[in-house]
Amino acid sequence: GNSVTQMEGPVTLSEEAFLTINCTYTATGYPSLFWYVQYPGEGLQLLLKATKADDKGSNKGFEATYRKETTSFHLEKGSVQVSDSAVYFCALSDPNTGNQFYFGTGTSLTVIP
Amino acid sequence: SQTIHQWPATLVQPVGSPLSLECTVEGTSNPNLYWYRQAAGRGLQLLFYSVGIGQISSEVPQNLSASRPQDRQFILSSKKLLLSDSGFYLCAWTRGGVGNSPLHFGNGTRLTVT
Repeated sequence: GNSVTQMEGPVTLSEEAFLTINCTYTATGYPSLFWYVQYPGEGLQLLLKATKADDKGSNKGFEATYRKETTSFHLEKGSVQVSDSAVYFCALSDPNTGNQFYFGTGTSLTVIP
Repeated sequence: SQTIHQWPATLVQPVGSPLSLECTVEGTSNPNLYWYRQAAGRGLQLLFYSVGIGQISSEVPQNLSASRPQDRQFILSSKKLLLSDSGFYLCAWTRGGVGNSPLHFGNGTRLTVT
């Protein structure tokens, strides 16, 4: 079956620190992979995506590379800001299962000045 | 461009009262539509999804129901709310028939059942 596993939080970093949030997946087909961000009291926003192996998604300084050999899609940012404090969700969609999306449990990030 | 509207933003309802949450999508046709629930500090739970008018798939048996009376309208309902129905409800859409299309979420409804 399909599933997404992401690192447990919460994560607390100082401003300008390097961020990595690990995400691994299990899929029966060739999934598309996504990272979403949720700010307090809001819905989820698409942060970046990758649709095939070795694709790199990037947005707002965040990056993630679709690694088929390690079934991973780790989120990275070189220098975090206080405004990056949010909950981050890794997700996949598998065309073999129709229109189903599978989400990780979310990782809470707090960046302190 | 496409937009998704979800309302109300917050709702406080007594136990046993009915519920109706509405979601509409603009700027696209024949979207796939989804209702998710997020309990406090928890991940997302898929409740219902729909690939077309009148077509509803339920993922979790409970006292909630969904309907899609129009192509871009998705409604979440309950006849009698339970305390356990409290949570953050999110509507979302994706392009129908496009395998790698991402989900786009509304701003959510914070429901408190008292």
